Amino acid sequence: SQQGEEDPQALSIQEGENATMNCSYKTSINNLQWYRQNSGRGLVHLILIRSNEREKHSGRLRVTLDTSKKSSSLLITASRAADTASYFCATDEYNQGGKLIFGQGTELSVKP
Amino acid sequence: DGGITQSPKYLFRKEGQNVTLSCEQNLNHDAMYWYRQDPGQGLRLIYYSQIVNDFQKGDIAEGYSVSREKKESFPLTVTSAQKNPTAFYLCASSGTGRTDTQYFGPGTRLTVL
Repeated sequence: SQQGEEDPQALSIQEGENATMNCSYKTSINNLQWYRQNSGRGLVHLILIRSNEREKHSGRLRVTLDTSKKSSSLLITASRAADTASYFCATDEYNQGGKLIFGQGTELSVKP
Repeated sequence: DGGITQSPKYLFRKEGQNVTLSCEQNLNHDAMYWYRQDPGQGLRLIYYSQIVNDFQKGDIAEGYSVSREKKESFPLTVTSAQKNPTAFYLCASSGTGRTDTQYFGPGTRLTVL
C-alpha cells in the first residue's frame, strides 16, 4: 500500500532557485522521513521529522509537517545541479513495527 | 568501513529459474528490509525482518522468499512463481528505535530474459 502521495511528480528548475516538494499521507504516523535517490542508486536518508514537530532544518533543507492536514513539504533552497535526483517521503505508521511506506517520489531536475 | 552491500549489481535470469540476491550489513542493525522498485515508481516492501530467525511478509511477498539465519545477512530468492520479476531490488537495514532511519544498499537490477 502506498501511504505517501507526492506532488509534483516531476519538477524542473534553474540553479539557484528553490525547489518545493509536497507529500500527503493517510494515517497517523510516528514520524515522516525524506530520502534522496540518484539514478540507479540506493536511497540516502535526508531528514526525519517527528509527529510532534512542525519544522526542521538541515543545511539547505527545510521540512515542515502538518499532522492536521496529513501533509509535509521539503524545501531545497539555492538549488544546485548536484541536487538533481528523485526525492521520496516515507511514513512510519503507528503499530507497524518500524515499517516505512514510501511515496512514488518527485523527480527533480536542476539545470545549470 | 560500515555499510550495507548488495550483490550482484546486475543479474540476468532465464524464465523458470530461481535466483538469490545477496544483502549483507555490518552496521549491527537488528532490522533488515527488501524493496522492489519499478521504473518511475516508489518502493514497495517485499519482506522484512526485525530479528534473527524471524521475518514478515510485506505488501508484495508472493513469488519471493527470504531467510534470516544471521544478523548480518538477509538474502532474497526470486522464485519462478514471481510472474514479473524484472525490477530494481533494494535492501535496507535499520535499528528498531522509533526514530531509526533506514540505510540502503546500492541495489541489484534483475532482468528476466
